[in-house]
Amino acid sequence: AQSVTQPDIHIPVSEGASLELRCNYSYGATPYLFWYVQSPGQGLQLLLKYFSGDTLVQGIKGFEAEFKRSQSSFNLRKPSVHWSDAAEYFCAVGAPLNRDDKIIFGKGTRLHILP
Amino acid sequence: KAGVTQTPRYLIKTRGQQVTLSCSPISGHRSVSWYQQTPGQGLQFLFEYFSETQRNKGNFPGRFSGRQFSNSRSEMNVSTLELGDSALYLCASSLGYREDNEQFFGPGTRLTVL
Repeated sequence: AQSVTQPDIHIPVSEGASLELRCNYSYGATPYLFWYVQSPGQGLQLLLKYFSGDTLVQGIKGFEAEFKRSQSSFNLRKPSVHWSDAAEYFCAVGAPLNRDDKIIFGKGTRLHILP
Repeated sequence: KAGVTQTPRYLIKTRGQQVTLSCSPISGHRSVSWYQQTPGQGLQFLFEYFSETQRNKGNFPGRFSGRQFSNSRSEMNVSTLELGDSALYLCASSLGYREDNEQFFGPGTRLTVL
């Protein structure tokens, strides 16, 4: 079965600084990969997704992520964070070959924006 | 078009009671998935319905059940509530059941069990 690890529980970043949130997955083949963001009191919003093709994926709100098969990683990046980016970010894995698991989410990384 | 709606938004119950949560998907979406979100366990998949049939089920006890109606609206039921059932319950809808279908999430129902 697939699994997802987000090693950082909290990340403080100064406004205007760059951001990288880590995500590692475990799956026997190339999975479907997602990044979601959850603001306080809200549901999840999809930032970007990777299914195949170009390993650098552009998403909404200026986010991008890069799929690295050799490292089993799908890290989320943003060149310059804004205070409105403060939220919790979830990496998720879908299994194209295993219909028993819908999508597995990581435990999340909470992003704090420092003034 | 309107997003995913969940009712009620907040709910307080006591141990041993049962509860029903409702989810209305985006118009045209036929797949509805339910997730439980807690600080300790994170987001965990409960089950997925497509065209009124349960397609997938997560690792939850039989006290958790659900159903989907012909208009794709879905309900989930939790019987004999336990303190540990306190959580944010999220519903997500998608066009189909393939794992590459983007899921759109509702705001959730916050359930507190006393």
